[in-house]
Amino acid sequence: DADVTQTPRNRITKTGKRIMLECSQTKGHDRMYWYRQDPGLGLRLIYYSFDVKDINKGEISDGYSVSRQAQAKFSLSLESAIPNQTALYFCATRTGDNYGYTFGSGTRLTVV
Amino acid sequence: QKEVEQNSGPLSVPEGAIASLNCTYSDRGSQSFFWYRQYSGKSPELIMSIYSNGDKEDGRFTAQLNKASQYVSLLIRDSQPSDSATYLCAVNTYNAGNMLTFGGGTRLMVKP
Repeated sequence: DADVTQTPRNRITKTGKRIMLECSQTKGHDRMYWYRQDPGLGLRLIYYSFDVKDINKGEISDGYSVSRQAQAKFSLSLESAIPNQTALYFCATRTGDNYGYTFGSGTRLTVV
Repeated sequence: QKEVEQNSGPLSVPEGAIASLNCTYSDRGSQSFFWYRQYSGKSPELIMSIYSNGDKEDGRFTAQLNKASQYVSLLIRDSQPSDSATYLCAVNTYNAGNMLTFGGGTRLMVKP
């Protein structure tokens, strides 16, 4: 099983719908992140969490919300999806400052 | 000025050659540096980390760090077509709350 699991892998949804992307990890890391990746724009940070009670906005948090249900689970919600939220979304975990991120396999989201 | 900059490429090299990928960063306080490989539509995979000035070798990969000049590079020896991917440079940026800041990536194409 993958260390960082994202569901769903692919999702097509309609404008205005609420959608949740889920992330779970078995690595025991406290730090979890949500990124989106768009062609030409690279990886951009949406939200991050350093523990269950610590949630922080990233550079592009508008239109998104998150929930850290447990150390191992970090969900990203789009309250009312819009087409420019079509992107590849990655969850990542990290154990400390001097370590890299471990990424999940990603969710390809299309908003029509 | 972007915090982490990479030439977007594509960088095209023949099979068996050395591929040289470069990255510059702006935060002089950065201490941890990472290289990720990302195949199209897949998640980034950590391939190298480096923390001290100089070279660090791992198989066909060598990471080089020069903190005074604020650049980090990745050399891939004996390049193979399977090395064709986008390579992302990531820097632990203290000014950004100890986040990893990613460059836009360099697309490498290794031609048989």
